[in-house]
Formats: sequence, C-alpha cells, structure tokens
Amino acid sequence: SQTIHQWPATLVQPVGSPLSLECTVEGTSNPNLYWYRQAAGRGLQLLFYSVGIGQISSEVPQNLSASRPQDRQFILSSKKLLLSDSGFYLCAWSGYGQGRNIQYFGAGTRLSVL
Amino acid sequence: RKEVEQDPGPFNVPEGATVAFNCTYSNSASQSFFWYRQDCRKEPKLLMSVYSSGNEDGRFTAQLNRASQYISLLIRDSKLSDSATYLCVVKGLNSGNTPLVFGKGTRLSVIA
Repeated sequence: SQTIHQWPATLVQPVGSPLSLECTVEGTSNPNLYWYRQAAGRGLQLLFYSVGIGQISSEVPQNLSASRPQDRQFILSSKKLLLSDSGFYLCAWSGYGQGRNIQYFGAGTRLSVL
Repeated sequence: RKEVEQDPGPFNVPEGATVAFNCTYSNSASQSFFWYRQDCRKEPKLLMSVYSSGNEDGRFTAQLNRASQYISLLIRDSKLSDSATYLCVVKGLNSGNTPLVFGKGTRLSVIA
C-alpha cells in the first residue's frame, strides 16, 4: 500500500532562518506531488505541484521554492523565513489514471516563525 | 466569485440529528468532486467522491447538481466522532495534472 511521510511534525524557526521540509512517498511510482499551506483559520492554499522529477509548477509568488530530486521525494525550501510563512504545511500525492483525481495527504508540518 | 464556496459554520447539532452542507463552485467545466474531512490540527482525509447520480456511503450521502453548480453532503444520525471540518473539493478537468481546488471548509460540532 502507498504511504506518505512528512517531517518534521512541528518546527519553530526564527525569522530569516532557512527552511527545508521533506516529503517522501512509498508504494507507488511517478506520483503527482503537491505542497499546500494552511494558515490559521484559513483554507488550503496550493503552493507547488510536480508531475515528474525536476518539473515544478508554482501557484503563488512567494519566498518559498520546491524541488523534486527523486521520483518520490518532494522538498519545500526557503532561504529566509518571514513571519507570514507560519502555517500548517501539507504534502500530498495523487496516483495515475482515474486515481490522479484523488489526493492523499501527509500528516503535515506545523511551522511557527518567530 | 470564489472558485469553491462553503458556509464556514460552525454547525452545532445534537447527536442523532441529520445535518446537510452545501458547496458551490464557479467553474462550470469542473468534472470531479469530493468531500474531505479534516480533524483539528490533522491532515485532510478523503471522505467520499461525489458522482453525478449521487452516492451514499453508510450515513453519508453526497449529491451533485451541475445545473446549479453545487454539491451537498448529508450526514444522518450524527455521531460525536463526526465533529470535524468538511472540505468541498473540485477538480477542473479530468486531465490528471490539474490540481484540486479546496473550499475553506464547514465546521461541524456534534454535541452529546
């Protein structure tokens, strides 16, 4: 069966520090991968999605970036965090065929920028 | 008009009640529809897909009205464990690479 791992679960970082969040998927190949952010009391905002290695689409301008160095690995990064980067970051994957319509989420990383 | 709109709630209902949520979407070309459930401080999880003819899964019934561009979720015989935020989700085209669009969710509290 497929599983998705995200870490760390919680993170407290000072303003201006770098960020690296990692997400890996097991049990499937060539998944679509997604990064979302959910700010307190707000909906899910799609940040990036990837349909293959090295292929990244950015949905909103920001000081975050994403990379996909391997088929089942998706990394969210920042060189300098802002206070407004605080939120709940969720990685998701979707499969192939009709399964590409359904996304499955990792447990998320709760980031507090202070 | 927002792509996917939901009443944020909260809906506070007693155990055993029937409760219904609606969701409207703006893109008439939307082809796939889902309800996700999100517990407090947890990730969203797929509750059910929504099919054109409507579908039922136990106490949950989902309906789609393409003409009016809305989706509904009906929960019968509410349980305390149904307390969560319910996210309406829409996908524009059946192309696999089109991202999903999530509503902000409707919060349900089932009270003993």
